[in-house]
Amino acid sequence: SFELTQPPSVSVSPGQTARITCSGDALSKKCACWYQQKSGQAPVLVIYDDNKRPSGIPERFSGSSSGTMAALTISGAQVEDEADYYCYSTDSSGNHGIFGGGTKVTVL
Amino acid sequence: QVRLQQWGAGVLKPSETLSLICVVYGGSFSEYYWSWVRQPPGKGLEWIGQINHSGRTNYNPSLKSRVTILVDTPKNQFSLKLTSVTAADTAVYYCARNKGIDGMDVWGQGTTVTVSS
Repeated sequence: SFELTQPPSVSVSPGQTARITCSGDALSKKCACWYQQKSGQAPVLVIYDDNKRPSGIPERFSGSSSGTMAALTISGAQVEDEADYYCYSTDSSGNHGIFGGGTKVTVL
Repeated sequence: QVRLQQWGAGVLKPSETLSLICVVYGGSFSEYYWSWVRQPPGKGLEWIGQINHSGRTNYNPSLKSRVTILVDTPKNQFSLKLTSVTAADTAVYYCARNKGIDGMDVWGQGTTVTVSS
């Protein structure tokens, strides 16, 4: 089936490292993107093509992928990183997109 | 700087048709796909579909029977129609520029659509 699975929540202390995983068969063939969404705001792209960071995204955000799992790592998490994070990929044809269920990151 | 501005009716009755428009300001319109994404209250993001400048579309299989995405390339805009809406279609709807593996990098401001009798 075409699904992406994320943990519902991750907690991290300020300055520590948070790692969010995303698993799904599609990830073995297709790249993952990661979106940050703060309350009441539109999503923001933080990682594309598995591990590339758009201009303006802090270096503490990094991505990786291996087999059927992708991961977003926040190294030295800041209070302002508290948000929902969604992974995104496509099916094997590349024509249909799908989001993971989202992970709420709490920094405290 | 690329900017997406979207608008459309915010309140609908069950069985009516949802209609939203997204206008693209700046940048190239013909190089990318243009997507619609929605988010029901308190829930996650759902990809609805996408279109390119020549009208080639892809839809979420779960919505395909009710969704139409159209493009008006001379006006740099694209639109979403969703027929026979129900309360389950209540959501914030976003338009976005889709650069494939480079991600959806520019988003509209979102439009809240409420379906209620």
